[in-house]
Amino acid sequence: EAQVTQNPRYLITVTGKKLTVTCSQNMNHEYMSWYRQDPGLGLRQIYYSMNVEVTDKGDVPEGYKVSRKEKRNFPLILESPSPNQTSLYFCASREQGNLMNTEAFFGQGTRLTVV
Amino acid sequence: GESVGLHLPTLSVQEGDNSIINCAYSNSASDYFIWYKQESGKGPQFIIDIRSNMDKRQGQRVTVLLNKTVKHLSLQIAATQPGDSAVYFCAEKPLGRYSTLTFGKGTMLLVSP
Repeated sequence: EAQVTQNPRYLITVTGKKLTVTCSQNMNHEYMSWYRQDPGLGLRQIYYSMNVEVTDKGDVPEGYKVSRKEKRNFPLILESPSPNQTSLYFCASREQGNLMNTEAFFGQGTRLTVV
Repeated sequence: GESVGLHLPTLSVQEGDNSIINCAYSNSASDYFIWYKQESGKGPQFIIDIRSNMDKRQGQRVTVLLNKTVKHLSLQIAATQPGDSAVYFCAEKPLGRYSTLTFGKGTMLLVSP
């Protein structure tokens, strides 16, 4: 089954304690991205990756890092989480290869609370 | 935790009615538009897309209409069912392999049996 898998689904942590949210896709997609979703603000892109070892900032990259060492994995790293990073996070992937491509596959989400 | 459905405009319909959800987009350079459905506790799910050289596209029970003159997009759902209850949002982007999406804030659709 084609899917994007995120872990963990729920996480409560304390300010300043480094954490990683993992994302894995089994569709051999080149493009992967991370979004955060906040009430009243909708989905906003944090980082994206067009291929292995190629990453770039989205609209709200501050406080986040990513890496893309393998095609299937795209972890999101919060080196020193702060309460304003409390949010619902989604990983997404898409095919490349044609102009009408879009994030067609989203993970189930990770609800992060930073206290 | 707080639901992403809070603070959203809501459309309430009866089962069997047709639903129309509207979206105003902002970037006149956008060439490609997508509708997503997000059920409670799940990630967004792709529904249908349309390119700017079209003004209408139909899928199964869904139709997307695009009016570029007024930068308006709508999603029509025929014979709405309780399973259609979700948050719906549009997204826009310029054509291109690596261009990024801009998402609307969404509309909550509530379908009563």
